[in-house]
Amino acid sequence: GNSVTQMEGPVTLSEEAFLTINCTYTATGYPSLFWYVQYPGEGLQLLLKATKADDKGSNKGFEATYRKETTSFHLEKGSVQVSDSAVYFCALSLLGAAGGGNKLTFGTGTQLKVEL
Amino acid sequence: NAGVTQTPKFQVLKTGQSMTLQCAQDMNHEYMSWYRQDPGMGLRLIHYSVGAGITDQGEVPNGYNVSRSTTEDFPLRLLSAAPSQTSVYFCASKLSGPGNQPQHFGDGTRLSIL
Repeated sequence: GNSVTQMEGPVTLSEEAFLTINCTYTATGYPSLFWYVQYPGEGLQLLLKATKADDKGSNKGFEATYRKETTSFHLEKGSVQVSDSAVYFCALSLLGAAGGGNKLTFGTGTQLKVEL
Repeated sequence: NAGVTQTPKFQVLKTGQSMTLQCAQDMNHEYMSWYRQDPGMGLRLIHYSVGAGITDQGEVPNGYNVSRSTTEDFPLRLLSAAPSQTSVYFCASKLSGPGNQPQHFGDGTRLSIL
């Protein structure tokens, strides 16, 4: 079946440090890939997405590139801020799967803490 | 825009009680779904609906019922609450169609079963 594997957290960084959160996937087909972010006490918000191989999604200084050869979609940011502290979820959806391609399969989430 | 609204935000139940978690969206989205979020397990799909009158099971449907009588509302019913159902529940909606459309999430219902 389809699955998403993320690095364990929490990840603790100092402000302005470089961030990488690893995400790899297994899917029968060519999925769309997403990063969602969850701030404390809130629901998930879409951070960025990529729909085909070599696409790069970007938003708010975060980037991730869809790597088909390594089945990966790692999240990066060059300089994190305290306000980036949140839980980050990697997810995939697969056209043609049950639910018309609308279903999301999530990783377990990675908590990021950014300190001054 | 209200987006996806979930009520209540917090609830404590006793084992064996029943309750309904409400979810409403005002974006005319065809697809709606319920997830539960547990530590170390990410979000797991409970039930989903591709339109009014159509529902289907997700990954962890046991102990939960849903119905979809209108496009706007998608309530989740716990028939006989068990401690294993202590979790944070999220409702989400999206336009139906290609999977690359983003899902919009509510702020969650934090449910404790004693």
